[in-house]
Amino acid sequence: QVQLVHSGAEMKKPGASVKVSCKASGYAFTDYYMHWVRQAPGQGLEWMGWIIPRSGGTKYAQKFQGRVTMTRDTSISTAYMELSRLRSDDTAVYFCVRDRDRWELLYVFDYWGQGTLVTVSS
Amino acid sequence: SFELTQPPSVSVSPGQTASITCSGDNLGEKYTSWYQQKPGQSPTLVIFQHRKRPSGIPERFSGSNSGNTATLTISGTQAVDEADYYCQAWDSSTVVFGGGTKLTVL
Repeated sequence: QVQLVHSGAEMKKPGASVKVSCKASGYAFTDYYMHWVRQAPGQGLEWMGWIIPRSGGTKYAQKFQGRVTMTRDTSISTAYMELSRLRSDDTAVYFCVRDRDRWELLYVFDYWGQGTLVTVSS
Repeated sequence: SFELTQPPSVSVSPGQTASITCSGDNLGEKYTSWYQQKPGQSPTLVIFQHRKRPSGIPERFSGSNSGNTATLTISGTQAVDEADYYCQAWDSSTVVFGGGTKLTVL
């Protein structure tokens, strides 16, 4: 079965960077687009971008351009999301989310990781 | 920029039909998905491409889309359906979520 397992919670100071990992299993990791979505406490969902593991190609939401970097290590079926110059309003749960169809970018999010809580506080 | 608007809350009695709307410019021309999120859990896909149900999602969940509005309908609502629901679409390679609707079954 498809599983997306996140790294543990992080606490960072403003201005620092955080790198969250998401280990995939149960499917062909390289062939499905992986998205990152975040959710601030008590708030809604916000899309950050995607990576296609086969090539490493990425697309970032305009809001995060210049601050976010999505990478992957195909040898261990793991995707990473690094966010730099953290601010207090970056405090959120960060989810990795698989797109539904193999090879295709559908923007349909069928499997979600459990999320990683990133807390930014001085 | 493209935005999706949902009512903050909807209430329904058990066994009745709940309808949650999502509005946005020309939404009928864009594929819409719906996600259910219960407290402390990750979201779950319940409807995609307007009206398709993933395997394992009960038949009481259905979707429609016309004009500027997408609608998630839950027929015979059960207490277990109480959750936050988010609509989602994409435009110009950017994904947008609605603000979410809290469904209360009382």
